[in-house]
Amino acid sequence: GEDVEQSLFLSVREGDSSVINCTYTDSSSTYLYWYKQEPGAGLQLLTYIFSNMDMKQDQRLTVLLNKKDKHLSLRIADTQTGDSAIYFCAEIYSGYALNFGKGTSLLVTP
Amino acid sequence: DTAVSQTPKYLVTQMGNDKSIKCEQNLGHDTMYWYKQDSKKFLKIMFSYNNKELIINETVPNRFSPKSPDKAHLNLHINSLELGDSAVYFCASSQDGGQPQHFGDGTRLSIL
Repeated sequence: GEDVEQSLFLSVREGDSSVINCTYTDSSSTYLYWYKQEPGAGLQLLTYIFSNMDMKQDQRLTVLLNKKDKHLSLRIADTQTGDSAIYFCAEIYSGYALNFGKGTSLLVTP
Repeated sequence: DTAVSQTPKYLVTQMGNDKSIKCEQNLGHDTMYWYKQDSKKFLKIMFSYNNKELIINETVPNRFSPKSPDKAHLNLHINSLELGDSAVYFCASSQDGGQPQHFGDGTRLSIL
């Protein structure tokens, strides 16, 4: 598929909010996903949003979807050092596979 | 009671060898996948199977052959391993295409 774009790095202080942005390519993607990968670990499904929604909130996580601009964002409130990880945005590709962005490395400093 | 399990977790072998990675899911899902993550953390789909039928084969060399003996298993066999095959291989499953995918912990393949 075409490239899903994400900024590569983000550094925030503990307690601040983090916002990770993503631009996807396929407007027909039924769901859009955020995955988290900690160092040396697998991919954890963090949250997802159905394409007919524009916002989803789940505890400290808020997902915003702008379909017109094909823009997806993930906001993490009260960011903790345990949130340091790589965050991948993903869209559905060919109806089955995930087309991932290159990942945003989030560093949370004390 | 791991949902998606892969074995082995680490695989170190020499160029030219043949190796297999096994994947099993106990979620009752119909669709399974193999993804490759390279050294820069880029993730790309390799294969997708739905009800044991191949749905996606994403320009993967034919040295890679997936096999799905039943809906709960999708194994990956790799012939004549090359240096460029060094990567982390992830298995995943979902209820159906487009549904949220759950990933295994990955198999780190290192070619000497």
